Amino acid sequence: DQQVKQNSPSLSVQEGRISILNCDYTNSMFDYFLWYKKYPAEGPTFLISISSIKDKNEDGRFTVFLNKSAKHLSLHIVPSQPGDSAVYFCAASTKYSGAGSYQLTFGKGTKLSVIP
Amino acid sequence: DSGVTQTPKHLITATGQRVTLRCSPRSGDLSVYWYQQSLDQGLQFLIHYYNGEERAKGNILERFSAQQFPDLHSELNLSSLELGDSALYFCASSARAGVNTEAFFGQGTRLTVV
Repeated sequence: DQQVKQNSPSLSVQEGRISILNCDYTNSMFDYFLWYKKYPAEGPTFLISISSIKDKNEDGRFTVFLNKSAKHLSLHIVPSQPGDSAVYFCAASTKYSGAGSYQLTFGKGTKLSVIP
Repeated sequence: DSGVTQTPKHLITATGQRVTLRCSPRSGDLSVYWYQQSLDQGLQFLIHYYNGEERAKGNILERFSAQQFPDLHSELNLSSLELGDSALYFCASSARAGVNTEAFFGQGTRLTVV
């Protein structure tokens, strides 16, 4: 049972245009959502996050939108640059019982290619 | 550089063997999480330690175990290895267990079981 789904394995975008990466989740207990970027042979790098009390968070070229009723979030990258080419993972967390453990549940990732 | 150090970067071993993966968290971080990434899969949570204590377990096999030492580094022990254990193993750290915040990942250890 995949609780976090990224239905597009890959996405190609022209440099300068907008990249939109999508993510759906099924667990209504998730209350914190994150996007990670991963280059080959490196670990995931935190990009941006959003709490469930918000519907938008912006950081430079990156904006994450959260639609709780649809259990959907998206990452917008504007303008897209060749250096943005990487695998993007959507992740979600919720407090694990009373233990204060916030392990992340990841999607399978979307490979973004930004074409010069 | 995330500040999380994992060693070794690559490991090749035979079926039935035992290996130990090591993780040093970012300075000051008390939480260490272990994740496994198999081929074409997302990262799967294995186990979480906070200040030396186990806090949560995910899909971790009984053949796998972990611990966090007083200096906060952590080790993941994998025994009776099978071909299917070949994967990338990531360690992540975060500041506190009681706060929902981003985790910082190491570069991972690529384990190949032959």
